[in-house]
Amino acid sequence: SQTIHQWPATLVQPVGSPLSLECTVEGTSNPNLYWYRQAAGRGLQLLFYSVGIGQISSEVPQNLSASRPQDRQFILSSKKLLLSDSGFYLCAGPDEINYGYTFGSGTRLTVV
Amino acid sequence: GQNIDQPTEMTATEGAIVQINCTYQTSGFNGLFWYQQHAGEAPTFLSYNVLDGLEEKGRFSSFLSRSKGYSYLLLKELQMKDSASYLCAVDQTGANNLFFGTGTRLTVIP
Repeated sequence: SQTIHQWPATLVQPVGSPLSLECTVEGTSNPNLYWYRQAAGRGLQLLFYSVGIGQISSEVPQNLSASRPQDRQFILSSKKLLLSDSGFYLCAGPDEINYGYTFGSGTRLTVV
Repeated sequence: GQNIDQPTEMTATEGAIVQINCTYQTSGFNGLFWYQQHAGEAPTFLSYNVLDGLEEKGRFSSFLSRSKGYSYLLLKELQMKDSASYLCAVDQTGANNLFFGTGTRLTVIP
């Protein structure tokens, strides 16, 4: 089965500072990986997904970016954070038992 | 495109039964998921329906009607720990990702 590791759990960053969130995967090789954001009281918004090393598809504005330097590593970045970037960020990969997704534990980002 | 609707909030009493509805409109449909998400935590899998009908799993059951674009999650013998958000998600044909509704926040009261 697959395990998604995500860190840090909580992050408070000033506006204009950079961001790097890391997600690593244990289990199946070459999994599809996803970054979702959940704003307060909102649903899960897909930010990026990746089907393999160096392959990133973007669903959101350009303030955020993602990279997949290794098969089991997926990184979410920003050069300059905005207040609107605050939210709960979740990394997800395939759930090989139930189908659908298995999620990392999430990062609560507060931009101040 | 896709549109998924769920009630924003529901309240129910401990020991009771509650039904959480989800309606969806998609250009292609493979199946529908229900996830449970406690505050501050990641979503966890509850059910996946592909065919019409009711699937029961302990205190939780999930129903799907493909022709009506409708699903519900039924929670029986509610417990305080069932207080959480319940997310409906559609597996759309040809898509690489799931599409989530905004979630229903359920509060169980004594």
